[in-house]
Amino acid sequence: QKEVEQDPGPLSVPEGAIVSLNCTYSNSAFQYFMWYRQYSRKGPELLMYTYSSGNKEDGRFTAQVDKSSKYISLFIRDSQPSDSATYLCAMNTGGFKTIFGAGTRLFVKA
Amino acid sequence: EAGVTQFPSHSVIEKGQTVTLRCDPISGHDNLYWYRRVMGKEIKFLLHFVKESKQDESGMPNNRFLAERTGGTYSTLKVQPAELEDSGVYFCASSLQGSNEQFFGPGTRLTVL
Repeated sequence: QKEVEQDPGPLSVPEGAIVSLNCTYSNSAFQYFMWYRQYSRKGPELLMYTYSSGNKEDGRFTAQVDKSSKYISLFIRDSQPSDSATYLCAMNTGGFKTIFGAGTRLFVKA
Repeated sequence: EAGVTQFPSHSVIEKGQTVTLRCDPISGHDNLYWYRRVMGKEIKFLLHFVKESKQDESGMPNNRFLAERTGGTYSTLKVQPAELEDSGVYFCASSLQGSNEQFFGPGTRLTVL
């Protein structure tokens, strides 16, 4: 079983939709949770960085962590075609070795 | 401020050859990491430097891979001899001392024929 499970998609939505991206994990020791956005042929770009359970909002992006369910989410409001990318969840226990999900490919149609 | 840079962006070599990848972290970042993504798989951790010291190299696949960070600035990752299964994208990341907010470079795409 993988430590981090993420549906690879693809996920296709119309412009303006609310997007929900999710990951589940098995290691209860994970404490730091990240979401990265990766455009084709580019490196991952850090979008959201959260510690432990709770919500964090940054503009159109909201990250949620539910440690009791071992489930994290990223919501994108008012999605734009420029949001089309692969979204990677990532997490670690507080050390520096970060475990990544497989990434979900998102397409936002104009 | 310049981000993490990697060189080359793409390398094509034959099985058995040697390749050296270079990473320049963000200036002032003591932590430097190497990751790789092989076809269809997740990004996997390879190793972590703090300045010039290797803190965790648990992800290095075998002894054909050698990472160095002389002087605690840029880092190199050498693969010798390269095998077909080494093909993939090699990412470097860096973070400030005490932080694990990691910023990634654009990656080096390695193709072993």
